[in-house]
Amino acid sequence: AQSVTQLGSHVSVSEGALVLLRCNYSSSVPPYLFWYVQYPNQGLQLLLKYTSAATLVKGINGFEAEFKKSETSFHLTKPSAHMSDAAEYFCAVSGDLGNQAGTALIFGKGTTLSVSS
Amino acid sequence: DTGVSQDPRHKITKRGQNVTFRCDPISEHNRLYWYRQTLGQGPEFLTYFQNEAQLEKSRLLSDRFSAERPKGSFSTLEIQRTEQGDSAMYLCASSLRTGGYNEQFFGPGTRLTVL
Repeated sequence: AQSVTQLGSHVSVSEGALVLLRCNYSSSVPPYLFWYVQYPNQGLQLLLKYTSAATLVKGINGFEAEFKKSETSFHLTKPSAHMSDAAEYFCAVSGDLGNQAGTALIFGKGTTLSVSS
Repeated sequence: DTGVSQDPRHKITKRGQNVTFRCDPISEHNRLYWYRQTLGQGPEFLTYFQNEAQLEKSRLLSDRFSAERPKGSFSTLEIQRTEQGDSAMYLCASSLRTGGYNEQFFGPGTRLTVL
């Protein structure tokens, strides 16, 4: 069974500081991994995805994530936080469709990012 | 805008009433998903369609829930005899099967409040 654990339900940083949101996954099949962002009362927007190509993935708004198989991690980072980054962030995993391991995305519980000036 | 749309955005109902939500996916997408998100949690999968066929249902989808996608385009999610525990954000997503991965595009959600 697949699962996602996001360490830290709430992360606070100062504007201009490094953002690090942690995600560990469990999967019995080659995983596909995603980070989504959700602003209040809105749906989810895809930030970036790992699909077994490059292990360092760059996304929108200056975010990037690195897939580390040995650590089963897919942490999200951004070198310099901006006030507009304040939102809820979700890590998700999906199995390989070819293995019929599930087409649903399995989400973590989310991490709320606060950015102070 | 050709993104995923959902209607209504908000629904307030009394316990015991039936409610129906609609989702219009991105036009060329053949897969459509429903998720439920409660406060402070990540979205949880409910069900998905490939074209008009409902291929997978979660254990979360009780007998009071039914979903359809009659012509392989829009989908409806109906909840019968609503309970206070059904209060949540209901999210719809769509995708186009390409290669092996599953990039889903989400709509804005329908927030249901059961009084």
